[in-house]
Amino acid sequence: QVQLQESGPGLVKPSETLSLTCTVSGDSITSYYWSWIRQPPGKGLEWIGYIYYSGSTNYNPSLKSRVTISIDTSKNQFSLKLTSVTAADTAVYYCARKYYDLSTGYYYFDRWGQGTLVTVSS
Amino acid sequence: EFVLTQSPGTLSLSPGERATLSCRTSHSVISNCLAWYQQKPGQSPRLLIYGASSRATGIPDRFSGSGSGTDFTLTISRLEPEDFAVYYCQQYGTSPFAFGPGTKVDIK
Repeated sequence: QVQLQESGPGLVKPSETLSLTCTVSGDSITSYYWSWIRQPPGKGLEWIGYIYYSGSTNYNPSLKSRVTISIDTSKNQFSLKLTSVTAADTAVYYCARKYYDLSTGYYYFDRWGQGTLVTVSS
Repeated sequence: EFVLTQSPGTLSLSPGERATLSCRTSHSVISNCLAWYQQKPGQSPRLLIYGASSRATGIPDRFSGSGSGTDFTLTISRLEPEDFAVYYCQQYGTSPFAFGPGTKVDIK
């Protein structure tokens, strides 16, 4: 069964770059789309973006100017970079798999990592 | 962009009761690409329903989804103690893939 694990610094200074990695085990990263989603403490969920193994990406317009998602198929990992962070970027960051829905022809999020809390503070 | 609204914000019920959660979207959801997730404190969201009405693998049949267009419902036929949690709806047919603000189901 596929498992996802986020890793990266838990504390980032304002104006710096947040960098996280998601390691996928139990399945090949070349088979699906992969996404990042975040959740500020006590609040709801916000989709950040996704990547396909080919490198094609799609980002939430609200974050697009600051976000880069990349993939390393040799390591079965994908990564998130978010630049110029502020306190508003403090959140639990989740990586998730997008799975093909045969009934609709679209992709839903079926597997999530446990999440990692990133705090933006000096 | 889609805006999803969930009601009620909080639902206070007793074990064994029926829970009915509503999700409304600002635009019609393409191909019924509507999912429901359950989240417990300190845990990641768990997929319950996709395609508006299909149960994900391993989800008990007391969970059911219905609806189309802009109005969707998640029903829990008889609440078990482990069902008290926050429930989110999400549309995944049109980018950006928006989530609703959540409905908290707590113990009365």
